[in-house]
Amino acid sequence: NAGVMQNPRHLVRRRGQEARLRCSPMKGHSHVYWYRQLPEEGLKFMVYLQKENIIDESGMPKERFSAEFPKEGPSILRIQQVVRGDSAAYFCASSPPVLTGAHTGELFFGEGSRLTVL
Amino acid sequence: QQPVQSPQAVILREGEDAVINCSSSKALYSVHWYRQKHGEAPVFLMILLKGGEQKGHEKISASFNEKKQQSSLYLTASQLSYSGTYFCGTEPLGWGKLQFGAGTQVVVTP
Repeated sequence: NAGVMQNPRHLVRRRGQEARLRCSPMKGHSHVYWYRQLPEEGLKFMVYLQKENIIDESGMPKERFSAEFPKEGPSILRIQQVVRGDSAAYFCASSPPVLTGAHTGELFFGEGSRLTVL
Repeated sequence: QQPVQSPQAVILREGEDAVINCSSSKALYSVHWYRQKHGEAPVFLMILLKGGEQKGHEKISASFNEKKQQSSLYLTASQLSYSGTYFCGTEPLGWGKLQFGAGTQVVVTP
């Protein structure tokens, strides 16, 4: 009964390169959330997705960042032309469909992907 | 808009008690509490729904005053395992998007 799986756990990129972070939600979970955590800070909401739909991307920077959750495969957070300020831990969380009895409110977090931009 | 947590940090001796507060400027549907140990994923502790309820997890309990838009987390007879950063998450709309506070770092010493 695997939990939320994120990969890679650690990623190093040079400025200007692209970073792709993957998240496989728990089995049966159709909702995925991405959060960013800067060193010594709290979790900042980025985007909330269902399969093939972006529900809320109000926390996503307007440029260079995109997220998807295709019908098949993991959710992907993509950062183009990375800059040093993108260095952070990116956490993915999943939950069952919100408006169902299966949703207790708990978000199940993965262990995060730590991006370092040189 | 993210909730405000206080204090930022607290140091306790094993067996002592502490209170962590979380307040929001918006009306809340629910408040969630998570604990994160260094380098690890946040772990769910409990959720409180509007109605002023209290809940407990081990010797950790919480209350939610929806009128004041505040929640408090109570660490009672703290154990070494309670060390970590505690985050409150608020859910204004009740559909799963959480806004987290900046966190309260708790250090429990022997």
